[in-house]
Amino acid sequence: AQRVTQPEKLLSVFKGAPVELKCNYSYSGSPELFWYVQYSRQRLQLLLRHISRESIKGFTADLNKGETSFHLKKPFAQEEDSAMYYCALSSLGGAQKLVFGQGTRLTINP
Amino acid sequence: SAVISQKPSRDICQRGTSLTIQCQVDSQVTMMFWYRQQPGQSLTLIATANQGSEATYESGFVIDKFPISRPNLTFSTLTVSNMSPEDSSIYLCSVLAGSTDTQYFGPGTRLTVL
Repeated sequence: AQRVTQPEKLLSVFKGAPVELKCNYSYSGSPELFWYVQYSRQRLQLLLRHISRESIKGFTADLNKGETSFHLKKPFAQEEDSAMYYCALSSLGGAQKLVFGQGTRLTINP
Repeated sequence: SAVISQKPSRDICQRGTSLTIQCQVDSQVTMMFWYRQQPGQSLTLIATANQGSEATYESGFVIDKFPISRPNLTFSTLTVSNMSPEDSSIYLCSVLAGSTDTQYFGPGTRLTVL
C-alpha cells in the first residue's frame, strides 16, 4: 500500500532560519513525489514536483529513494512561507490519484 | 493552468438528506477527481470522474453513497447521500491539466452535517 508520512503536524521557525519539512513514503514501485502548499484563505496549489528538479520560492526537495524520503528545504525562511504543506505521492505516470500526507503547518515567526 | 469553481462553497445540512456539489472548469480536461478532507485529516481520494462512463471509486467509497456525474469535459457533480455527521468534511474537486500534467484544485466545499 502507498503511504505518505509527514511526522511533524506543526513546525515553527524564525524568519531567516533554515526550514526542513520532512516527508517519508512507502511504495514498492517508482513513485512521483510532490509538495503542495495551502496559504491562508487560498486553495491548494502545487509547489514543486521531484521530476522537475527546480527551486520554487526558494524551496527545493530531493527524492532519496534509499531513505524513501522527499524532504522540503529552504535555507532562509520568510514570513510569507507560513502555510500548510502537504507531501503527496502518485503511483501512476503524471499526477493522477495522489496520496497525501497529513500535512505540516509551518509558521515563520518574525 | 486550469481555473476551477465549486458550488456551494459551504453548506449546513440535516442528517439523512443529500447534497450535490458542482465542479466547473474553465477548460476541457480529461481527468477530474473528487477528494475528501475530514476535520484535522489529510486529503483522501474518493473517485475519478470519467466522462461518458461510471466513476472509478477508491477503496472505502461506494457509488450509492457518493454518486458522481461527468456529463462533459468541463463539469462534474458529487452527491453526498443520506448524510450523517461523519460526512462533515471539505470536499474538493481537482483536475489534471497543462503541459506538465499538474493537478489543480478547486476551492473546496465545506459541509457540516447536523
